[in-house]
Amino acid sequence: DARVTQTPRDKVTEMGQEVTMRCQPILGHNTVFWYRQTMMQGLELLAYFRNRAPLDDSGMPKDRFSAEMPDATLATLKIQPSEPRDSAVYFCASAVGGEQYFGPGTRLTVT
Amino acid sequence: GENVEQHPSTLSVQEGDSAVIKCTYSDSASNYFPWYKQELGKGPQLIIDIRSNVGEKKDQRIAVTLNKTAKHFSLHITETQPEDSAVYFCAASSHLGDKIIFGKGTRLHILP
Repeated sequence: DARVTQTPRDKVTEMGQEVTMRCQPILGHNTVFWYRQTMMQGLELLAYFRNRAPLDDSGMPKDRFSAEMPDATLATLKIQPSEPRDSAVYFCASAVGGEQYFGPGTRLTVT
Repeated sequence: GENVEQHPSTLSVQEGDSAVIKCTYSDSASNYFPWYKQELGKGPQLIIDIRSNVGEKKDQRIAVTLNKTAKHFSLHITETQPEDSAVYFCAASSHLGDKIIFGKGTRLHILP
């Protein structure tokens, strides 16, 4: 059955390092969302794309975060340089004109 | 922008009893209201949704109600079972398929 996949599932890195998270949306889904989940802030929308074009990245710290869709089967979220406050679970979700389907998430720990 | 408030943050109910989670939203243009269930270590999963042209929707033990005038919507789970224990999120969107704004979540505990 079709699922959103995310890699890596877990990432531990040191402050200042670059982190890249990847997402493969469900085939045929034209909208991809990136969320960050923390205990304090809950689920926050970072950015989203439709037909690979960015529609809204207002939730993303622009100085260190970047999101791209190199092709329809891959979305990436990059943090450079990473900071301890970036520690969270990052979710990707995909949709086609309707319900969003979430991936299993990438748990990022920045020490 | 849209703001979604959800309460309670934690809810404990005896197995077999009903659970109710309530949300309010601020943007009168919102017309799509999904509910997600998140189990430990997993991503949120859509369990039911309602659109603004409907006041109530039911799917087996789960029902959602919407009051557009008051900008309230609620999730009702009847005959609760241990597998209902999870975190539940309400959300709102002004357009199906567009970005959705989530509430802070309700951690539901089903007590044996």
